[in-house]
Amino acid sequence: GAGVSQSPRYKVAKRGQDVALRCDPISGHVSLFWYQQALGQGPEFLTYFQNEAQLDKSGLPSDRFFAERPEGSVSTLKIQRTQQEDSAVYLCASSRTSGAPREQYFGPGTRLTVT
Amino acid sequence: DQQVKQNSPSLSVQEGRISILNCDYTNSMFDYFLWYKKYPAEGPTFLISISSIKDKNEDGRFTVFLNKSAKHLSLHIVPSQPGDSAVYFCAATVRRYSGFGNEKLTFGTGTRLTIIP
Repeated sequence: GAGVSQSPRYKVAKRGQDVALRCDPISGHVSLFWYQQALGQGPEFLTYFQNEAQLDKSGLPSDRFFAERPEGSVSTLKIQRTQQEDSAVYLCASSRTSGAPREQYFGPGTRLTVT
Repeated sequence: DQQVKQNSPSLSVQEGRISILNCDYTNSMFDYFLWYKKYPAEGPTFLISISSIKDKNEDGRFTVFLNKSAKHLSLHIVPSQPGDSAVYFCAATVRRYSGFGNEKLTFGTGTRLTIIP
């Protein structure tokens, strides 16, 4: 399949540890989004890339959160010194920027549990 | 401040009947609305969308209605099938100012739909 893939699917981290979450978007998709979904809530926007440029990081909850997409394809979301409130499912989505369809296609997510 | 609201956390519908899922929004800047379906341990899957210049969009068994004056949209599924059992998320975005594609989505909290055989 040529969908969005994410790894790892599950991650358990002790409070204070750093974690790195990976996203492989659909080939050719210029736009890449990260969302955070807390238990019982809808996904919430974290950050947006167009190719390698991070054009919007307004949703990142603190400076412990950092995202990159150095070659315009694979992206990594890094969380430093994890806290219990970081426990959530982290979703990656990709889309085209023009033509149809422009809807976002989501990966399966990484469930992060901070203990 | 919840800009997109789904006030029904759950809904049960008999197989073959119509399922109606509702969504309200407060931000009048939103001009594009989407419904996503989510199964456990999977990411949301795009279902259907509607632009604010329309009041109805239909795709097979799925129809989305938009009432701009009421800031309300609904998803109709007819007839409902057991495979429709999932969590449904309403989402909204501002497309006209998105420039090069930053159509970040604002989601509701979801409605869990259960189809009873």
